[in-house]
Amino acid sequence: NAGVTQTPKFQVLKTGQSMTLQCAQDMNHEYMSWYRQDPGMGLRLIHYSVGAGITDQGEVPNGYNVSRSTTEDFPLRLLSAAPSQTSVYFCASSYRVGEKLFFGSGTQLSVL
Amino acid sequence: GNSVTQMEGPVTLSEEAFLTINCTYTATGYPSLFWYVQYPGEGLQLLLKATKADDKGSNKGFEATYRKETTSFHLEKGSVQVSDSAVYFCAPGVYGQNFVFGPGTRLSVLP
Repeated sequence: NAGVTQTPKFQVLKTGQSMTLQCAQDMNHEYMSWYRQDPGMGLRLIHYSVGAGITDQGEVPNGYNVSRSTTEDFPLRLLSAAPSQTSVYFCASSYRVGEKLFFGSGTQLSVL
Repeated sequence: GNSVTQMEGPVTLSEEAFLTINCTYTATGYPSLFWYVQYPGEGLQLLLKATKADDKGSNKGFEATYRKETTSFHLEKGSVQVSDSAVYFCAPGVYGQNFVFGPGTRLSVLP
């Protein structure tokens, strides 16, 4: 039972580079989301999706894009990385928004 | 919107000490209340939950009671272990609304 799988676990980028953080879940969850975790800030919601083909912005969406072409996958794209995007990123899913969340193991991203 | 206030810590205890982490919340609608735990290098995982007023959630020796009158959901454990060292997050969950997490409370348990 894989749950929520995130890749990569670590990534170093140079300013201006782009990349995609992958997230997949095998629990047939409708709801998927991306959070970033920064020291003293807790987890802040970047983008979320309540089903395939539906995405919406969270608290801190600038600089990030998402898509949800399938129920299972919810990739997060950094279009032009900035040092302010250095953070730990978590993907999370649940059957429906507001219900128990299942988290991936995180991606530690450093932007130089 | 929904919000949570909890002691930020760090909280440092000796093994076998009693633990309380306070949590108060504001939420619209009828929230369930959750405690999540994050062990070093890992994502958050559910520790316990309560779905209605006066319910008690429990798991791994931890307990929390849903107090609607004081909008609180304090986490307690009678005897902590070194393996309980982690960051603990309280969060109200309302159907149809995204979770809002605070900064969490870091707990360090010394042998």
